[in-house]
Amino acid sequence: DTGVSQNPRHKITKRGQNVTFRCDPISEHNRLYWYRQTLGQGPEFLTYFQNEAQLEKSRLLSDRFSAERPKGSFSTLEIQRTEQGDSAMYLCASSLGGGDRPLHFGNGTRLTVT
Amino acid sequence: LAKTTQPISMDSYEGQEVNITCSHNNIATNDYITWYQQFPSQGPRFIIQGYKTKVTNEVASLFIPADRKSSTLSLPRVSLSDTAVYYCLVGEDSSASKIIFGSGTRLSIRP
Repeated sequence: DTGVSQNPRHKITKRGQNVTFRCDPISEHNRLYWYRQTLGQGPEFLTYFQNEAQLEKSRLLSDRFSAERPKGSFSTLEIQRTEQGDSAMYLCASSLGGGDRPLHFGNGTRLTVT
Repeated sequence: LAKTTQPISMDSYEGQEVNITCSHNNIATNDYITWYQQFPSQGPRFIIQGYKTKVTNEVASLFIPADRKSSTLSLPRVSLSDTAVYYCLVGEDSSASKIIFGSGTRLSIRP
């Protein structure tokens, strides 16, 4: 199966620490999205890339969050100085093309900030 | 971006047909309608997409009336494994910059 892969699956960290998540999209997909999901809610858009360019970033995203997609392949999402409110499932998705193309999601990284 | 409204939850029984309706009154001319399914601790999975009339695949059917202000996802003969959250999304074609999920419909299937 060459679907979207996310690592790690689970991360527990102490408040104030930095964490980084990785997403490996489906190889030929040019678009990559990051979402955050809390219990009982739908995925919340964070940011997306077209190839290596970060084209949109949610205004809800604080400056502590940064994402990169070097060379248009894998992507990393870093959260600096984590807070308890950052505890959530972080989902990555990729697609071939634009808004009418289905998203293919990974199974997420569950972050717990203690 | 068009906003969608779905029932928060639905219950049904194995073997029944389940229809989940989504309202999207402000849908734009270029918007497609897409449905995703999500199981606990997994990412959402694409089910079906349509623009108008009816679309059918091996999993579900999608009915879209002429005015496109709503759509209905139809799951034939559901089983326990169809218990999941179902999301209706409305978005533009390749000019879209982001794809927004609502809170979805939590479907529970009973024996």
